[in-house]
Amino acid sequence: SQKIEQNSEALNIQEGKTATLTCNYTNYSPAYLQWYRQDPGRGPVFLLLIRENEKEKRKERLKVTFDTTLKQSLFHITASQPADSATYLCALGGGAGFQKLVFGTGTRLLVSP
Amino acid sequence: DTGVSQNPRHKITKRGQNVTFRCDPISEHNRLYWYRQTLGQGPEFLTYFQNEAQLEKSRLLSDRFSAERPKGSFSTLEIQRTEQGDSAMYLCASATWAERGSLNPTDTQYFGPGTRLTVL
Repeated sequence: SQKIEQNSEALNIQEGKTATLTCNYTNYSPAYLQWYRQDPGRGPVFLLLIRENEKEKRKERLKVTFDTTLKQSLFHITASQPADSATYLCALGGGAGFQKLVFGTGTRLLVSP
Repeated sequence: DTGVSQNPRHKITKRGQNVTFRCDPISEHNRLYWYRQTLGQGPEFLTYFQNEAQLEKSRLLSDRFSAERPKGSFSTLEIQRTEQGDSAMYLCASATWAERGSLNPTDTQYFGPGTRLTVL
């Protein structure tokens, strides 16, 4: 069956370090992958999209990689700040028969000062 | 504010009562989604519309749940005979889906603030 896995344990890092979050998937061939940020009690907010033919995408302090062989995406936040503390969700879309997104369960990031 | 709006933001009801939530999407978006989210979990897909057509419902969705989008604009989600297990955050999202001629469409979704339902 199809599965999207994100680390369910919270990731604790110190301010200024690089946070790296992982999204693994099985039995799925997405055409693109997205990352969203969700703060407590609020809806997710779109951050970045990367397509299957792209290896890497950057936006300010954010970097996403997409390895379709490993079926994995890595999400990096460089020079992390306490304001980056949130839950980060990956979502897969596209591919045959999958025109809508499928979300992972998210990883909570805590950046301490 | 031209984002996705949801009403009410909070709803407390007694078990067995019916509840209805409303979602107003971004005006030019033709797709509208409903999700349910419980603590520590990602959004769980419930159903989605393209314009006024309901294209998919989750197989996990009970018959007590129904959604409409009568004019292809706002949508309502109704839960009949609520149960305590229905307590969750109900999220609505909208997106633009190019129905024709788009080489590489994506389903980038814009979420509302959610409606938190508590069933006592």
